[in-house]
Amino acid sequence: AQSVTQLDSHVSVSEGTPVLLRCNYSSSYSPSLFWYVQHPNKGLQLLLKYTSAATLVKGINGFEAEFKKSETSFHLTKPSAHMSDAAEYFCVVSLLYNFNKFYFGSGTKLNVKP
Amino acid sequence: EAGVTQFPSHSVIEKGQTVTLRCDPISGHDNLYWYRRVMGKEIKFLLHFVKESKQDESGMPNNRFLAERTGGTYSTLKVQPAELEDSGVYFCASRKTGAANEQFFGPGTRLTVL
Repeated sequence: AQSVTQLDSHVSVSEGTPVLLRCNYSSSYSPSLFWYVQHPNKGLQLLLKYTSAATLVKGINGFEAEFKKSETSFHLTKPSAHMSDAAEYFCVVSLLYNFNKFYFGSGTKLNVKP
Repeated sequence: EAGVTQFPSHSVIEKGQTVTLRCDPISGHDNLYWYRRVMGKEIKFLLHFVKESKQDESGMPNNRFLAERTGGTYSTLKVQPAELEDSGVYFCASRKTGAANEQFFGPGTRLTVL
């Protein structure tokens, strides 16, 4: 079975400071892992995905995530937060190369203070 | 290219009434998915269509929910009769079959059952 735990429901950072959104997963088999972002009144947008290639994955808007199998983690980071990064972020797991059945974390709301 | 669209954006109904949600996937996407987010919980998979066929409906909560995708284009999700616990945000996503293709999500329909 697959499951995801997002360790923080809310994260608040100041503009220009680093962002860290934590995600731990559980999977019976090798996973694919994703981060999606939802801005208000918008659909979920894919930030980045891991599918067994490089463990450090770079995504859009300066975000990246590192797959750590030993820690079953896939934390999302960004060196410098921007006001436009304020949104809700979802960590998602599926079976490796199975892009059909997604298992979502409960989401992390990122607040960026000026 | 238009994204995934959902209609309506909001719906408020009374317990016992019927509601039909509609999803228009991205043109050419043969895979269509429905998800639901109940207040404060994670987004959960409901079902998956490939063209007009239900590939996986393991997440459908009960027989008050009926999803259709006649002709393999748009899809509807009907709730009849609606109960209080059906309140939440219903997301639709679509994907074109092929290696490493992501799911593209719509903005969701917020359903409130009073």
